Amino acid sequence: GESVGLHLPTLSVQEGDNSIINCAYSNSASDYFIWYKQESGKGPQFIIDIRSNMDKRQGQRVTVLLNKTVKHLSLQIAATQPGDSAVYFCAEDASGGSYIPTFGRGTSLIVHP
Amino acid sequence: DAGVTQSPTHLIKTRGQHVTLRCSPISGHKSVSWYQQVLGQGPQFIFQYYEKEERGRGNFPDRFSARQFPNYSSELNVNALLLGDSALYLCASSLVFSGRLDTQYFGPGTRLTVL
Repeated sequence: GESVGLHLPTLSVQEGDNSIINCAYSNSASDYFIWYKQESGKGPQFIIDIRSNMDKRQGQRVTVLLNKTVKHLSLQIAATQPGDSAVYFCAEDASGGSYIPTFGRGTSLIVHP
Repeated sequence: DAGVTQSPTHLIKTRGQHVTLRCSPISGHKSVSWYQQVLGQGPQFIFQYYEKEERGRGNFPDRFSARQFPNYSSELNVNALLLGDSALYLCASSLVFSGRLDTQYFGPGTRLTVL
């Protein structure tokens, strides 16, 4: 069936390093994607989004890359800080059909000071 | 300004019981969505309501139901609780409903434990 999945469940980095979190999707009709950050005990927080007519979008210290050919998107965090430690999810939406947003499993990012 | 609020924070129930979870959206937001998040997994979509009408439904049994009130707050009801219903239940609000994945603002969730 259609799914959104993440390659790495846990990513450990040193403070100051750049982090890359990956997400694979299988629904070729998906045309809008959102990355969320979820800290312990809190609900997911919107980070950045991207539409399928783009292949890159930048925010503050974050960049999302979309490769529609291989159905893959990534979240890059520059100069990772301890406050970036959280679980990161990608979510997808497909045009048309029933509205059912789909979230990936999540990647736990651990930043060591 | 207050964000999305949910009550209660934590809840313990036994199998077969019924539970009601509550959500108040951000002021001015008219759409509310409910998600179930099992430990170690991403949120799974249950319902979305807009202007008191159900606009989307995920793959959940009829034991799950919801409603939205005139003030746009919402309740999620789960009947005949099973152990597998233990999860964090998240509510998210958005300004309107476009039929698409919109920018949603999540509440802190209600942690439900079924014994």
